[in-house]
Amino acid sequence: EAQVTQNPRYLITVTGKKLTVTCSQNMNHEYMSWYRQDPGLGLRQIYYSMNVEVTDKGDVPEGYKVSRKEKRNFPLILESPSPNQTSLYFCASSLAGAPEQYFGPGTRLTVT
Amino acid sequence: DQQVKQNSPSLSVQEGRISILNCDYTNSMFDYFLWYKKYPAEGPTFLISISSIKDKNEDGRFTVFLNKSAKHLSLHIVPSQPGDSAVYFCAANPNTGNQFYFGTGTSLTVIP
Repeated sequence: EAQVTQNPRYLITVTGKKLTVTCSQNMNHEYMSWYRQDPGLGLRQIYYSMNVEVTDKGDVPEGYKVSRKEKRNFPLILESPSPNQTSLYFCASSLAGAPEQYFGPGTRLTVT
Repeated sequence: DQQVKQNSPSLSVQEGRISILNCDYTNSMFDYFLWYKKYPAEGPTFLISISSIKDKNEDGRFTVFLNKSAKHLSLHIVPSQPGDSAVYFCAANPNTGNQFYFGTGTSLTVIP
C-alpha cells in the first residue's frame, strides 16, 4: 500500500530534550516536506527536500533541522525543543513536478 | 503574514445542497492551487487542483473556480453529502519555487 508513515504518532517531552520524528514513504517520491498545524494558523511549511541531500527552508524553519540521506526517509529533528513547538506535525511527499502531496497521519508533539 | 486566507472557519450545509468554500490569496506569483480535505486524526488528502492558466476545473461533484484578478478561488461541492464533513484547506504554489502555502482551513458540516 502506498503510504507515508510517521513515528511516533504522539510524543510528550520536556524542554531541551532532543527528539527526532521519523518520516518514510514507499512511493519513490523525490519531494518530501514537513508541516506544522496550529489553531488559527493552518498548515505551515517547515522544511522541504527536492531529492537526496537537497533540503531547503520553508516558512517556519527556526528550531528545526532535517536531513535527507535516503530517498524514502526525511526525519525532522528538534535539537532543543521549546513549548512553542507544541503542535501537530505532518510529513508529506510527492513526485517531482507534481504539486499534489501525500500526507502522513500526523505526529502530535507536546513540549512541557 | 498569511498569504493564503480562508476567512470562514466553519460552514454548515444541508445534505444535497451546494457547499461553497472560499479562499483568497495575496501573492500574484502563485500559479498553482490545490484543495485538500482532512478528517480528524488523519493527514490531509488531495482533492482537486487548478493551474493559473485555467479558471475552472471539475472532478465529479467537486469544482474549483479561480478568479485571478480578484486573487480568489472557491471550491464547489454539489450535491453535498454527510461524508464530505471535514476540514478543507486551500494551498498555493508559486512559480518561483517549491514552497507551499496553506490557508487556515474551513470546517464543513453537512447535515443529513
